[in-house]
Amino acid sequence: NAGVTQTPKFQVLKTGQSMTLQCAQDMNHNSMYWYRQDPGMGLRLIYYSASEGTTDKGEVPNGYNVSRLNKREFSLRLESAAPSQTSVYFCASSRQGLGTSGRARETQYFGPGTRLLVL
Amino acid sequence: AQSVTQLGSHVSVSEGALVLLRCNYSSSVPPYLFWYVQYPNQGLQLLLKYTSAATLVKGINGFEAEFKKSETSFHLTKPSAHMSDAAEYFCAVSEGNSGNTPLVFGKGTRLSVIA
Repeated sequence: NAGVTQTPKFQVLKTGQSMTLQCAQDMNHNSMYWYRQDPGMGLRLIYYSASEGTTDKGEVPNGYNVSRLNKREFSLRLESAAPSQTSVYFCASSRQGLGTSGRARETQYFGPGTRLLVL
Repeated sequence: AQSVTQLGSHVSVSEGALVLLRCNYSSSVPPYLFWYVQYPNQGLQLLLKYTSAATLVKGINGFEAEFKKSETSFHLTKPSAHMSDAAEYFCAVSEGNSGNTPLVFGKGTRLSVIA
């Protein structure tokens, strides 16, 4: 099993350009997440999908959109990139789905990250 | 809403010394608590988690943490630091009675190990 994979690993954009970050998991997990990591800020949740067909905003959703394409894939789109979106982006997944009481104790499995630089 | 505070953004210890990384949480309901580790240029991986069973939780690589409800703490310890423990460590909290509340992470503590 590859676990959680992310593409690309590194990307440079100019302000105003758009791009999509791809994430896929092969663990048959129901929930998937997108985080951004900035120095001194820890990880902040952008969007999550508690199960296939649902998405919800996290702490910092502005400037981003997501698509849960199927159970395996969860993409993050920047429509008009800004320098403030320079960050490392992590995708994660966990087994339990929406409304399951055990979901809160589930381990999240992380991808290797995408480093994004917006000039 | 739940929150996590990690005291000390950077901790430095000598090889062989005790490692103590502090985490305090705030939660209106019984929490689930996690410690994740991030090695340079990698994603996060789970070290250990508390899910309302034993209050002393043992994890990978010799780490352990103790849930203390009266102190709202979940500090991470290791008796003897190794050079390979140098990494960033994140404490996280999830509200135990909700199926829908995402995990909330602390800001992280960078551990340096000096030879």
